[in-house]
Amino acid sequence: EIVLTQSPGTLSLSPGERATLSCRASQSLSSSYLVWYQQKPGQAPRLLIYAASSRATGIPDRFSGSGSGTDFTLTISRLEPEDFAVYYCQQYGHSPPYTFGQGTQLEIK
Amino acid sequence: EVQLVESGGGLVQPGGSLRLSCAASGFTFSNYNMNWVRQAPGKGLEWLSNIGSSSSAKYYADSVKGRFTISRDNAKNSLYLQMNSLRAEDTAVYYCAREMVTVTTSYYYYMDVWGKGTTVTVSS
Repeated sequence: EIVLTQSPGTLSLSPGERATLSCRASQSLSSSYLVWYQQKPGQAPRLLIYAASSRATGIPDRFSGSGSGTDFTLTISRLEPEDFAVYYCQQYGHSPPYTFGQGTQLEIK
Repeated sequence: EVQLVESGGGLVQPGGSLRLSCAASGFTFSNYNMNWVRQAPGKGLEWLSNIGSSSSAKYYADSVKGRFTISRDNAKNSLYLQMNSLRAEDTAVYYCAREMVTVTTSYYYYMDVWGKGTTVTVSS
């Protein structure tokens, strides 16, 4: 089973700042299988990024993903008020179980 | 509009059973693999199970293997999760989600459409 570890657990930033969220896999993972989701309170998760760096339909270009091997990053270039949420990485499609990271809470400073 | 709507959640005693349903609309359900994902109160997301478009393949997380069964009825555009031997730690919001595959230079897999979830509470 691939374990995904996200850091930091909580990130406190102000609107307009740059956010960098990390997701580390316990073993090498093809970037084809790394996905990022955003979740706001009381809502279902929303797909942001698939294949480590491909933005989903309708996702603003301030969101970008990168990485390979065991280290992956979600970057939000300039935070908007609506970006404050919890972010999850997931490995999906390689081999079940399709594990999630524990999440990073992005909060307003 | 592409939509998934879960139902069947509720309060159940430990050791009891519950069957969740997920109604799909706005897309050709029989063409897609489907998933169940849950989220315990105040906790993160946990992938539970995946089923192939023709029910030929089924996968489970260790936490639910042997207790939960995923199934689907393509004629009814519906996905199901039969949950037996329920425990307090199964208390969660349960989501169904569609698997999407994008093919360019490679195959890319992800869950692109999610329902709003149904709440299951296991308590005496």
